[in-house]
Amino acid sequence: EVQLLESGGDLVQPGGSLRVSCAASGFTFSSYTMSWVRQAPGKGLEWVSGISATGGRTYYADSVKGRFTISRDNSKNTLHLQMNSLRVEDTAVYYCAKGHGDVGYDYWGQGTLVTVSS
Amino acid sequence: QSVLTQPPSVSGAPGQRVTISCTGSSSNMGAGFDVHWYQQLPGTAPKLLIYGHNNRPSGVPDRFSGSKSGTSASLAITGLQAEDEADYYCQSYDTSLSGTVFGGGTKLTVL
Repeated sequence: EVQLLESGGDLVQPGGSLRVSCAASGFTFSSYTMSWVRQAPGKGLEWVSGISATGGRTYYADSVKGRFTISRDNSKNTLHLQMNSLRVEDTAVYYCAKGHGDVGYDYWGQGTLVTVSS
Repeated sequence: QSVLTQPPSVSGAPGQRVTISCTGSSSNMGAGFDVHWYQQLPGTAPKLLIYGHNNRPSGVPDRFSGSKSGTSASLAITGLQAEDEADYYCQSYDTSLSGTVFGGGTKLTVL
């Protein structure tokens, strides 16, 4: 059974940093592109970032480019999102998702809440 | 303002058929990229409902179907049931943005 378990969400001040992670199991993690998608409170889904199976290629939405860094550790089946220079508008539930835009996201984690507030 | 446009809400009575539209442009659906649909029940994570225009993952009832033509797509739900009440999102890839794009979401109310 495929499982994606996010962790690391927290309350952080504007301008601060936070790293959220996603532990994957139930599939060959190193064979798949992985992504982060977020959802602000009461709002729709917004793609944030993606990373190729080997980690050699990364992709970012314009809203986070230069501030967020996606990475993965295929030896530990773990996906990370390092978020720097956080803004109030980054407040959202961050979902880890298996897949990418071309083929869709077939599995999602339960999400981790990041709140940016003073 | 979402790149893919969906109606904010639709409604229908149990047993009826409803459709949800998703309008894109020449840089996403019109460029030949697939459309995928997700169902998000209240308080839960999104779930893949339809992929590649009209393919259903295992476990998704055949009451759900999708279609695509040019720069538009639609999700149809027949035999509406109370448990179908949820938010529905369309999704594609946009070559101009070099990334995934979602519709703004449609809230389905079962009357």
